[in-house]
Formats: sequence, C-alpha cells, structure tokens
Amino acid sequence: QIQLVQSGPELKKPGESVKISCKASGYTFTDYAMHWVKQAPGKGLKWMGWINTYTGKPTYADDFKGRFVFSLEASASTANLQISNLKNEDTATYFCARIAGSPWYFDYWGQGVMVTVSS
Amino acid sequence: QITLTQQAESLWISPGERVSITCRASQSLLYTDGKHYLSWYQQRPGQTTKALIYHASVRTDGVPTRFIGSGSGTEFTLSIEHVQPEDFAIYYCLQTLKSPLTFGSGTKLEIK
Repeated sequence: QIQLVQSGPELKKPGESVKISCKASGYTFTDYAMHWVKQAPGKGLKWMGWINTYTGKPTYADDFKGRFVFSLEASASTANLQISNLKNEDTATYFCARIAGSPWYFDYWGQGVMVTVSS
Repeated sequence: QITLTQQAESLWISPGERVSITCRASQSLLYTDGKHYLSWYQQRPGQTTKALIYHASVRTDGVPTRFIGSGSGTEFTLSIEHVQPEDFAIYYCLQTLKSPLTFGSGTKLEIK
C-alpha cells in the first residue's frame, strides 16, 4: 500500500540546521510531486512549496525562500526538507504530502516530523 | 493569494447529529475544466491527515457516505450526517487552483 514515512522528531538549537526525510513506498516515486506543509503548535496548516520528483526542481512559497531546501534521493524514493539557521518560529510539525495529478489534492500524507528549536 | 475563511473555529455537537462546516474563498475556485479545486481534510491526533473530498464534492476512496461536500464558486460546505465518535477532529479546506496553495484556518468538531 502507499505510504509516506517521515523521519523522527528533532530537537535543535537556534542557528543549527535540520534535515528531515519522507520515504515513499507503494508507487512510482517520480510519477507524483511531493509537497511540504508546516503546522506550528496549536495552529493550522501552511503550504511551504513542492518538488518535482521527476526533474528535482523545487518551488518555494514566499515565506519559505532562503533557509529552506527541498531535495530528493530519487533512488531511495525519498524527499528531504532541510532548514538552515533555525529560529524559534521554525518549531513546528512538518508534513510531506503527495499530490494526486489531475484532481490536484493531497491524497497521501506523511505522519509529520516535530522539529523543536530551543536554546 | 486566495484566502480561505473557515469562520467557525469550533463546533460543539452531539454524536448522531448533523453538522456543516463552511469554507469561503476570496475568489472563485472554478477552473476552465468546470471543476472546483477545493478539497477537505481531517486531522485526528495520532493519525495521518486524511483527504475526504476533492473537486468540492467527490469523496475519496473509502470515505463514508456520511461525509458530503457541496458548494460552488466561492462558498463550500462539508457536511457530516449522523456524526460518529471518530469524526471529532479538525477539518481543513484547501484550494489548489492557484499558487500559493492555501488552507482554511481549520474547524474543530467537539463533543457537546
């Protein structure tokens, strides 16, 4: 069955970097784009952008340009999100989500990775 | 960017009742293919986020028929008939018509 399995929780200090992963299984990885979504504690969902899993080209929402990098390990069917120079406001759960082609909705989601930034 | 407004932050209902959650868009979500690019999601603690409805009214595979999506243009509704205990969760709408993709602020269904 189709699954998106994300890496485990992270505790980091301000200024550090973090890389979280999203491993896909049960389908051809390069057939579907992967999106990233942020959810701050007690808050709603915010779209961060997406990566074309066929070409590797990332697209970032305005609020996520600069310190955020989407990348792939296509041979491992894995999408990664790296955040550099972490700030307290990066404390959140980060989800990967696959978008279903023509209907354009997120048909499968990862379980989320809690990233805590604290000194 | 397109703003989605879910006015109700919380709704308190009893199991077995019917409830409607509304989502209003700042512009029409109708595309030239005649479809609305509005979808609904359910978030429950400890569970992966689940897609319920896409194209405003199409249930995803396996979603019970008590979940009904309706609406057009800028006004959309997710209705749940005969609410079950497992339906108490947070519900979000999402528009995928235009980038940036945007979510509603969420509506939490709580037990009365």
